[in-house]
Amino acid sequence: KQEVTQIPAALSVPEGENLVLNCSFTDSAIYNLQWFRQDPGKGLTSLLLIQSSQREQTSGRLNASLDKSSGRSTLYIAASQPGDSATYLCAVIGSTNRDDKIIFGKGTRLHILP
Amino acid sequence: DTGVSQDPRHKITKRGQNVTFRCDPISEHNRLYWYRQTLGQGPEFLTYFQNEAQLEKSRLLSDRFSAERPKGSFSTLEIQRTEQGDSAMYLCASSLVGIQETQYFGPGTRLLVL
Repeated sequence: KQEVTQIPAALSVPEGENLVLNCSFTDSAIYNLQWFRQDPGKGLTSLLLIQSSQREQTSGRLNASLDKSSGRSTLYIAASQPGDSATYLCAVIGSTNRDDKIIFGKGTRLHILP
Repeated sequence: DTGVSQDPRHKITKRGQNVTFRCDPISEHNRLYWYRQTLGQGPEFLTYFQNEAQLEKSRLLSDRFSAERPKGSFSTLEIQRTEQGDSAMYLCASSLVGIQETQYFGPGTRLLVL
C-alpha cells in the first residue's frame, strides 16, 4: 500500500530565505507526483506536476525534483514571501492502477515570518 | 468561473440527519473524484466516476454514503444518518483523461455534525 510522508510537519522561516520541503513515498511505481498548495479552509491548488519519467519541474520561484528510485521528492521555494504561507501537500498517483486516485501526504504547514 | 464548483461551502447539521453535497466539474472533464479531508490530514480518496459510471469506492465510503453522477456532468454525495465522525472537508476534483491528468480541485464543502 502506497504511503506518502512529508517532513517537516510544520516550518517557520523568515521572509527571504530559501527553503526545502521533503516528501517520501513507499512504492516507486508511480505515474506522477504532484505538489499542491492549500490555504486554510480552502481547496487545493496544483503547483507542479512531475511525470514519472521526469526529474524536475520549475514554475517561478518553485522547483520540484523527483527521484523515483529512492522514493523521494523535494519542493524548493526560493526567496520566500509571506504570501507563501500555506500548507503544502505532496501527492502521488500509482502506475499500477489506472484509476488515478491521488494518495496524499499529511502536508507541511509553512509560515513565512515578515 | 470555469473551475470546479461545490455547493454548499459550509454545512452544519445535527447527528442523524441526512446531507447532500453537489459538485460541478469543469465542463469537458470526464472524470470526477470525491475526497475527504479531516483536520491536520491530507485528503483521502472516497470514490470516482468516469462519465456516469462509478468505477471505484474506498472502504472509507460506508453504506451510509452514496454518490451519483447521473448524466456524467455534476455529481452528488449524500450522507445518511450523519455521525460526528463525518465532520470533515469534502473535496471534489475533476480531470480529463489524457497524457498529463492533473486533477483540478473545487473549494470543498466543510461539514460539521453536532
